[in-house]
Amino acid sequence: AQSVAQPEDQVNVAEGNPLTVKCTYSVSGNPYLFWYVQYPNRGLQFLLKYITGDNLVKGSYGFEAEFNKSQTSFHLKKPSALVSDSALYFCAVKDGSNDYKLSFGAGTTVTVRA
Amino acid sequence: EAQVTQNPRYLITVTGKKLTVTCSQNMNHEYMSWYRQDPGLGLRQIYYSMNVEVTDKGDVPEGYKVSRKEKRNFPLILESPSPNQTSLYFCASSFGTSGGEQFFGPGTRLTVL
Repeated sequence: AQSVAQPEDQVNVAEGNPLTVKCTYSVSGNPYLFWYVQYPNRGLQFLLKYITGDNLVKGSYGFEAEFNKSQTSFHLKKPSALVSDSALYFCAVKDGSNDYKLSFGAGTTVTVRA
Repeated sequence: EAQVTQNPRYLITVTGKKLTVTCSQNMNHEYMSWYRQDPGLGLRQIYYSMNVEVTDKGDVPEGYKVSRKEKRNFPLILESPSPNQTSLYFCASSFGTSGGEQFFGPGTRLTVL
């Protein structure tokens, strides 16, 4: 079975400060890892993914994530948060040996205050 | 414009009245999937389809049906809706598998009274 944990329901940061959203995963095969963002009353938008290669992945809107195999983590980061980054963030994982199923974490609500 | 569309966007219905939520994509994607989003639970997969006439259950398939007669369409059918199916539903599609990201529709908010 595959699963994702996002240990923080909410993250609050001041504009201009670094932003980190945590994610850990569990799969039996090689992980395919994704981050999506959901703005109010909108569908999910893809931010970035890790399939293979460099552990540091860069994505849309200045976000990046680091794949750590030993800690089974894929934390999302942004060096300087903007008020417009306030949204609901989801981490998701596929098992590379059976990648028809995408499993999501419960989501983390990010609030960036001006 | 490449997109996934869903209809209706909002629906209020009563217990037991059959309904269909349509999903269509214009990107020639092989893979399509349905999810429901509930507070504190994230998104849970209901059904997915690898290609025309090929579908399989996700994590929460009970009370739902799907069909994939055409590549672009993947309707979700609730034959006898119940209040516990009140939720926000998303359709998604992607190019096959191999780690491709999924493109999501705008969502359908369903309320079953």
